[in-house]
Amino acid sequence: QVRLQESGPGLVKPSQTLSLTCTVSGGSISSGSYYWSWIRQPAGKGLEWIGRIYTTGSTNYNPSLKSRVTISIDTSKNQFSLKLSSVTATDMAVYYCARGNPYCTGSSCLINWFDPWGQGTLVTVSS
Amino acid sequence: EIVLTQSPATLSLSPGERATLSCRASQSVSRYLAWYQQKPGQAPRLLIYDASNRATGIPARFSGRGSGTDFTLTISSLEPEDFAVYYCQHRSNWPTFGQGTRLEIK
Repeated sequence: QVRLQESGPGLVKPSQTLSLTCTVSGGSISSGSYYWSWIRQPAGKGLEWIGRIYTTGSTNYNPSLKSRVTISIDTSKNQFSLKLSSVTATDMAVYYCARGNPYCTGSSCLINWFDPWGQGTLVTVSS
Repeated sequence: EIVLTQSPATLSLSPGERATLSCRASQSVSRYLAWYQQKPGQAPRLLIYDASNRATGIPARFSGRGSGTDFTLTISSLEPEDFAVYYCQHRSNWPTFGQGTRLEIK
């Protein structure tokens, strides 16, 4: 059974870079054709997809965050990571990593659904 | 961008009752819609995928139906552990979620 676990600082100063890592256990991050994703949820609000990465390193980001987001993957450690630069109070949220089930036609791939999810980690932005 | 609108925002029911939650898409998503359950302090859990397929381990009291722009999630007889927030999400290169329906105990 694949499990995901987020880790990283819970407090980030305004204008700095948020960095989180998701460790995958119970299976190889390279097996299967999955899109490893980051999703966030501000307190009391809904879910926002941040971006995804494939084992090849191919990425796709939410257009609203694209200029500030970098997602990377380390298959040797069975991990993928999120960096979000120039954070502000609006970036305060619980950050989840999740495995995305893909649907691909030709060179184009979509995400069908997310399963499983990590338990989430709260990131506070404050000086 | 496809917008998913869930209704009602809050649904107040008693254990044993039937719950019907709605998700409407701003344009057709065919049958490519998923439903999630989120309890306080927990991550979302996949319930339904491709509109009507239950995910592994999901009880039979949960069912989904719909296609095109209108979808429903039905819980046939509410158990105490079913009171939570439910989200829908569509297949996309840029996945988005509905704003959620809170199912609360009446």
